Amino acid sequence: DVKVTQSSRYLVKRTGEKVFLECVQDMDHENMFWYRQDPGLGLRLIYFSYDVKMKEKGDIPEGYSVSREKKERFSLILESASTNQTSMYLCASSLNGLAGADTQYFGPGTRLTVL
Amino acid sequence: QQQVKQSPQSLIVQKGGISIINCAYENTAFDYFPWYQQFPGKGPALLIAIRPDVSEKKEGRFTISFNKSAKQFSLHIMDSQPGDSATYFCAASIRWDSNYQLIWGAGTKLIIKP
Repeated sequence: DVKVTQSSRYLVKRTGEKVFLECVQDMDHENMFWYRQDPGLGLRLIYFSYDVKMKEKGDIPEGYSVSREKKERFSLILESASTNQTSMYLCASSLNGLAGADTQYFGPGTRLTVL
Repeated sequence: QQQVKQSPQSLIVQKGGISIINCAYENTAFDYFPWYQQFPGKGPALLIAIRPDVSEKKEGRFTISFNKSAKQFSLHIMDSQPGDSATYFCAASIRWDSNYQLIWGAGTKLIIKP
């Protein structure tokens, strides 16, 4: 069974703080993704990575950065948290898109509140 | 052109009824259409998926109907049960460089009344 774990289920931070969200997958997947989920807006892609040290911007990268130093770990960084970054953050991984679209496996999410 | 439009935003169905969620797209380059199911406190999980060369796919009580000419696809849940209460997302896959990306619908919160 594929397992995607996220470092925290709930997080409360103050405006201006630097925030790290960690994601680890245990199935040797090539691709990893960070989404944010807001009511009525669905899943919006922040960043994704298709290889170690590779990263690509998604639809809403502003205010975020990512790091992928090891294949199994993908970190999302909020350089200076703002209240409009209060959201549910979901990490996902998938095997390899080369042969066609494949299933994305999600972690349980981190609910971040920025005060 | 990259959007996937999902409706309704929320849906209440009596136990035993049929739940229907619709999605529409514009980009004919989309080549794979999955549905994901998300329970409260969990991440989304793949429920069922279809490719555009077939018009229907059925897995148990869940069926995807696909209309290529209308660029629409829908999820039907037959004999809906309280355990089906969840948020459902449709998505469409498009090739990006040597990988694929999913473009997501906004989600439908489904409540099955006992």
